[in-house]
This record gives sequence, structure tokens and C-alpha cells, in this order.
Amino acid sequence: DAGVTQSPTHLIKTRGQQVTLRCSPKSGHDTVSWYQQALGQGPQFIFQYYEEEERQRGNFPDRFSGHQFPNYSSELNVNALLLGDSALYLCASSLAGQVITFFGQGTRLTVV
Amino acid sequence: QKEVEQDPGPLSVPEGAIVSLNCTYSNSAFQYFMWYRQYSRKGPELLMYTYSSGNKEDGRFTAQVDKSSKYISLFIRDSQPSDSATYLCAMSPVSVGTDKLIFGTGTRLQVFP
Repeated sequence: DAGVTQSPTHLIKTRGQQVTLRCSPKSGHDTVSWYQQALGQGPQFIFQYYEEEERQRGNFPDRFSGHQFPNYSSELNVNALLLGDSALYLCASSLAGQVITFFGQGTRLTVV
Repeated sequence: QKEVEQDPGPLSVPEGAIVSLNCTYSNSAFQYFMWYRQYSRKGPELLMYTYSSGNKEDGRFTAQVDKSSKYISLFIRDSQPSDSATYLCAMSPVSVGTDKLIFGTGTRLQVFP
């Protein structure tokens, strides 16, 4: 059973550029959440997608957007990258209405 | 004040020691409590979860929740060098639609042979 898979593993972007990160949820899961984890910090909730709609959103600017596809996979887009966006971006999946959440290995984004 | 407080450590113990990891929280709406283990440069791995108060045991790991004190703990018995990692507590309220996880900052644990 494949768990949560993310791509790419690492990414280096220049300030001002745009980036797209991808995620496939654990088999059988229909809800995808994205988290940002800065070095030495716990993950911070960005947003959650269910039935292709954004259901919840954390305290992140509109530069952060996402999408969920009919097969439940998801993308995270970040526009106008800032140096402070450098972090580990984690995708997590769960079943709707259940809190138990599984994480992918993350995409490490470095903005230079 | 952060909703979830966790001592960042590092915590360094000898192999075989009993380890106690703790978190405190301020939001009385939290009902689900989870512990994740995160190895360096990897994603968090779910270790244990509990609902409301009480204890839960799984092998060498025991999770405790004291809602009256807003305090949760993870105990690791017979610690091994392979337990060296960062341990994150996470919490969530029970209402559907508000099930995002709120994390502590993580405690870095090192178990030396």
C-alpha cells in the first residue's frame, strides 16, 4: 500500500518565481491537507481540500493556492516566491471526518 | 501564547532509558491527540493517537492525556538509538470541518549507545 507520495523531493527557485508541488494521497483517502514546516518548527497548516474544494485555510496569504483533482491528488502553488517561503512542504491525507492523518516525505523548497 | 507548547530539547539519554516527552495546550476544544516521529529531512510518521483523556499503550510507547491539566505525554521504554528523532505532538478539535492539526515545535531526542 503506497502511502502519501510527493514530488519533487527537492526544489530550488529564485525569488519572485512560481512553484507547483504535487501530492498523491494514501490509497482510500479523499482529503488532502498541506503544511509548511520551517527549520526547527512544527508543521503549520496551509489549507485542506475535499471534493475538489478548499474546505479550510490557515493563516497564509493568497500567494498560496491549491487544487484537488477527481482522483484526489493535489497540487500546491506558490506565486511570487519570497526567501521566507523556504521550508519543507508536507502533504497529508486522511478520510473525510477523521482526524487521523498521514504525511508524505515532503518537498524541500529553497528560495534564493 | 502558542496553542501548543513543547520543549524543543535536545534531550540526550543513554540506551535503555525511559524517555518522557510532554506538551501543554491552551485550547480546551482539543479532543484528538497525536504523536508523530520525524527523522531528519523526512516527513512525520504517526506513532500514536488518543481521543479525549486516558492512556494508550503500543509496544514500548505509552501515550497519556490529562485534559484537566491540558497536558499530554509520550513515554518510551527501553529507548534505542533508532529512536533518535524529533517527536512532534499534534492536536485537533473534534468538530468535522475543523480537523486541521495544531503542532508543537517538536522535541529532538538523541539516544546514545
